[in-house]
Order: sequence, then C-alpha cells, then structure tokens
Amino acid sequence: GEDVEQSLFLSVREGDSSVINCTYTDSSSTYLYWYKQEPGAGLQLLTYIFSNMDMKQDQRLTVLLNKKDKHLSLRIADTQTGDSAIYFCAEEYSSASKIIFGSGTRLSIRP
Amino acid sequence: DGGITQSPKYLFRKEGQNVTLSCEQNLNHDAMYWYRQDPGQGLRLIYYSQIVNDFQKGDIAEGYSVSREKKESFPLTVTSAQKNPTAFYLCASSSRLEVDEQFFGPGTRLTVL
Repeated sequence: GEDVEQSLFLSVREGDSSVINCTYTDSSSTYLYWYKQEPGAGLQLLTYIFSNMDMKQDQRLTVLLNKKDKHLSLRIADTQTGDSAIYFCAEEYSSASKIIFGSGTRLSIRP
Repeated sequence: DGGITQSPKYLFRKEGQNVTLSCEQNLNHDAMYWYRQDPGQGLRLIYYSQIVNDFQKGDIAEGYSVSREKKESFPLTVTSAQKNPTAFYLCASSSRLEVDEQFFGPGTRLTVL
C-alpha cells in the first residue's frame, strides 16, 4: 500500500543541524519532495530530488536518498528560529498520478 | 500576482448543515486538489481533478462533493454526511509537469458546532 512515514517531533538547538527522516513505499516514485508548513498556512515546496540521485544540496538544505531502503532525509544546516515549522515528506505515487504526504515532522528550535 | 486563494479563512457551521469551501487559482494549472489536515495525521486527499469537468475520489471522499466547471475553480462541499468535519482544509493546484510541484492555498479552518 501507499504510505509515507515520519516522526512527529524534532527539537534542536539554534545553530545545530536538523535531520528529518522519512520512509516511503512506492519504489517507482520518480520524484520525492520536502514541503514546509508555517503555522496556520498552506504548504510550500522546499526542495525535491529525482529518484536517480543520491544527494541534492541547496544552500543550507541537503537531501539524501537511499533508494534501496526507501529512506529520504532532509538536513538543515545552522538551524535558525525561522526554520520552526512542520516539514512534510511526499512521494509521487506514479500508478495513481497523485502525491502521498507523510504526517509531518514538527521542528522546534531551542535557544 | 499569480496564486491560489481560499475563502473564508475561518468558517463556523451548525451540525447538519452543508457548507461549501471556495478555491480559486489563476496559475493556469490543470490539476487541483483538496486535502484535509488533522493534528498528527498529515494531509489526506479528499478529491482531485486533473482537468476541467473531471474529478476523482481521493482516500477520504465520503461525505464530501466537488465540481470542476471552470479551470480556475474547484469548490468543495462538506455535507451533513461527513461524520467529523471539523478540520483544516487545504486546496492545491499543479501544472502536472515533470516536477509535480503543488501550490497550496492558505487553508480554511472549518469548525462545526
């Protein structure tokens, strides 16, 4: 079945790195996505990775993909208070032309 | 400015009443989606439409209905048959190009009293 799993909470100290993990089920997904949701707002695409890549770096963000284990991670370097949000992992469920979202990981920053 | 709008931001209704949530986009996107968000459960797909005059049920369509008469608009009706309608509702659209980025509206928080 289709399922994307994430832990619900992560707390990090300001300036440290945050690593948010995700597992997915559809091995034929072409793209995997990370979305960010600020309080009371919609989601915004943060970054994505093509399934034939192992890693993608974009400024403070690093996405790692382990296709064999169906594991995706998002690393945020030098975490700032503005990074406080819910982060959603999503996979493209190719057989049904839709995107499946995980439950979201709430990232909180402590001073 | 191009974007996707939802109105109203907050909506209160009495139990047993139908209510329609508005979603409009001027991004010229073919595909539109409705999601429901509950705490700790992420986004669950209610209905989606890949083209005008066509739509498909998502994972939790029971108690909801939609229409797609215009490309720009995809209203969602929450009917009295929906057992637990209080939630945050998000509308999204996408161009369905190779990278299927979904653009989200700001959401409508529906509270049924």
